[in-house]
Amino acid sequence: GAVVSQHPSWVICKSGTSVKIECRSLDFQATTMFWYRQFPKQSLMLMATSNEGSKATYEQGVEKDKFLINHASLTLSTLTVTSAHPEDSSFYICSAPRDRDEKLFFGSGTQLSVL
Amino acid sequence: DQQVKQNSPSLSVQEGRISILNCDYTNSMFDYFLWYKKYPAEGPTFLISISSIKDKNEDGRFTVFLNKSAKHLSLHIVPSQPGDSAVYFCAASFSGGYQKVTFGTGTKLQVIP
Repeated sequence: GAVVSQHPSWVICKSGTSVKIECRSLDFQATTMFWYRQFPKQSLMLMATSNEGSKATYEQGVEKDKFLINHASLTLSTLTVTSAHPEDSSFYICSAPRDRDEKLFFGSGTQLSVL
Repeated sequence: DQQVKQNSPSLSVQEGRISILNCDYTNSMFDYFLWYKKYPAEGPTFLISISSIKDKNEDGRFTVFLNKSAKHLSLHIVPSQPGDSAVYFCAASFSGGYQKVTFGTGTKLQVIP
């Protein structure tokens, strides 16, 4: 079964609204989680590293005020796309490393469409 | 700056034959390499990995080869099966492969029955 759960699987929203995506580690605690974005026919690009109890670390070119990340607990990280615009439409994926066996697990992704 | 590249965006192979997917990287500090399989609208699933101290790792039908001097790795699938049809991403990591990974551009493999 899934080790990392990501919700929602898809979301359609109006331009200017905010959308929250959740990523949960199901059978382990993750002090760190990673958020990726994939545009059609392109690679998965790392957006940010979510750190439990501290601020997220953003990759170059990613607007931290637009993509709010909250790692409120050891099993949950959320990505909020604020004031979404059509150019934010993309496939967003989270991942979480499991320390006990040093494996990296990915969520099933969220397809965001901004109208 | 694409540090991990897969120069072939697509590949078609007959069922039963060998599929060879290639990947090049530019950063010699990468110490762990992984291959992921991905279907549309789904997250990537881990396939096989290799540490930089090795040059080959095999798991069933899948074998990954690493040529550090050439900064090149390849994934061999033999025999190829129709269920192998998917997009394959090569990835590289500085930290043993289970933290942040840098993905390649992907190769769409189609195995023709």
